[in-house]
Amino acid sequence: GIQVEQSPPDLILQEGANSTLRCNFSDSVNNLQWFHQNPWGQLINLFYIPSGTKQNGRLSATTVATERYSLLYISSSQTTDSGVYFCAVWDSNTGNQFYFGTGTSLTVIP
Amino acid sequence: KAGVTQTPRYLIKTRGQQVTLSCSPISGHRSVSWYQQTPGQGLQFLFEYFSETQRNKGNFPGRFSGRQFSNSRSEMNVSTLELGDSALYLCASSRLTSRFNEQFFGPGTRLTVL
Repeated sequence: GIQVEQSPPDLILQEGANSTLRCNFSDSVNNLQWFHQNPWGQLINLFYIPSGTKQNGRLSATTVATERYSLLYISSSQTTDSGVYFCAVWDSNTGNQFYFGTGTSLTVIP
Repeated sequence: KAGVTQTPRYLIKTRGQQVTLSCSPISGHRSVSWYQQTPGQGLQFLFEYFSETQRNKGNFPGRFSGRQFSNSRSEMNVSTLELGDSALYLCASSRLTSRFNEQFFGPGTRLTVL
């Protein structure tokens, strides 16, 4: 199946700092989503972004499908941004399931 | 619009028992997918149901099964539980097949096998 790599695996930021999370995937995709998993385990939708650029408040994302990567930008980080960020992709070749990356664990300290 | 709901939220079972988890999708959504999350293996796809038919299946043994009802609600069953089945089980719904549509996740069922 498709390989999904996220970097960095861990990130510690001071409140107010900006950050960029990266998701690389090894093959073409039909679907790409970014999620934030809160401490209780719930996956919160951030972006549905198989291609292009989207913004939602302090968060924005860009997917360059032809180069097989996606970026999640977090600006002016807050302590509530802490948690694990996952990207998930649907492989357009095998087309039988979603594959999740291993996540980026973000800690924002006040 | 109500989100995806899962019941029960927590469950403790012993080895050899079986368990049934339930998922109610967002109203109007016809696809339900199930995932297992463990510290060692991360988030792994179990299966997807669309219009009461299993559309896709991940690499899990036959002890893991599911079904979808005509109202799109889904159940997942694990028979002959093993210690390694302890995990957070998440379900997700999408309007149509998850291949081309945004998925929305429920809060999960945390299963502990003793």
